[in-house]
Amino acid sequence: AQKVTQAQTEISVVEKEDVTLDCVYETRDTTYYLFWYKQPPSGELVFLIRRNSFDEQNEISGRYSWNFQKSTSSFNFTITASQVVDSAVYFCALSLAGLREGGSEKLVFGKGTKLTVNP
Amino acid sequence: DVKVTQSSRYLVKRTGEKVFLECVQDMDHENMFWYRQDPGLGLRLIYFSYDVKMKEKGDIPEGYSVSREKKERFSLILESASTNQTSMYLCASSLNSYGYTFGSGTRLTVV
Repeated sequence: AQKVTQAQTEISVVEKEDVTLDCVYETRDTTYYLFWYKQPPSGELVFLIRRNSFDEQNEISGRYSWNFQKSTSSFNFTITASQVVDSAVYFCALSLAGLREGGSEKLVFGKGTKLTVNP
Repeated sequence: DVKVTQSSRYLVKRTGEKVFLECVQDMDHENMFWYRQDPGLGLRLIYFSYDVKMKEKGDIPEGYSVSREKKERFSLILESASTNQTSMYLCASSLNSYGYTFGSGTRLTVV
């Protein structure tokens, strides 16, 4: 069975601090996808990034960066120079490659990390 | 862009009522999902569907059923609503494991 663990329930930082959100996953499959979503107070899930299991390159997008390490089954998310608008709940998620043409495995979520950025 | 529309943003129902939560997607996706979100528990999968008239139980199907008569619509049914079903419900659709699109959510309160 697949599992995603986000050990940090809540994190509080002051604006401009860097913050890293941890994500550890479990799966026996060799082909899978990892995701990060942001959920602001409005409630919508905002897609941030997707990574497949064969691509361990780190990615940077503006103030956001992601560190994928298969050796430790981790997919950590760092926000550099945090801003108040970054305050949200962040979810890490895992899906397996579809088993049928056009098929799709379910997306398994971690419990989320609530990030509060104070001015 | 794919759009997933959930019919209600907020819903208040009485204990024992039959409740329908509707979800419609406009991009011909085969796969649709219903999740429930509760504080400290993250998103948990209730039911999902790979095709019309097909459904599979997720991790917490008890107290729920689903209906998928048309490809674009996936309904979640609470046969007899109870207070412990007060929650945020999120619908999603996908073409494959590569990308999922979520609706805005329905915040259901059962009184």
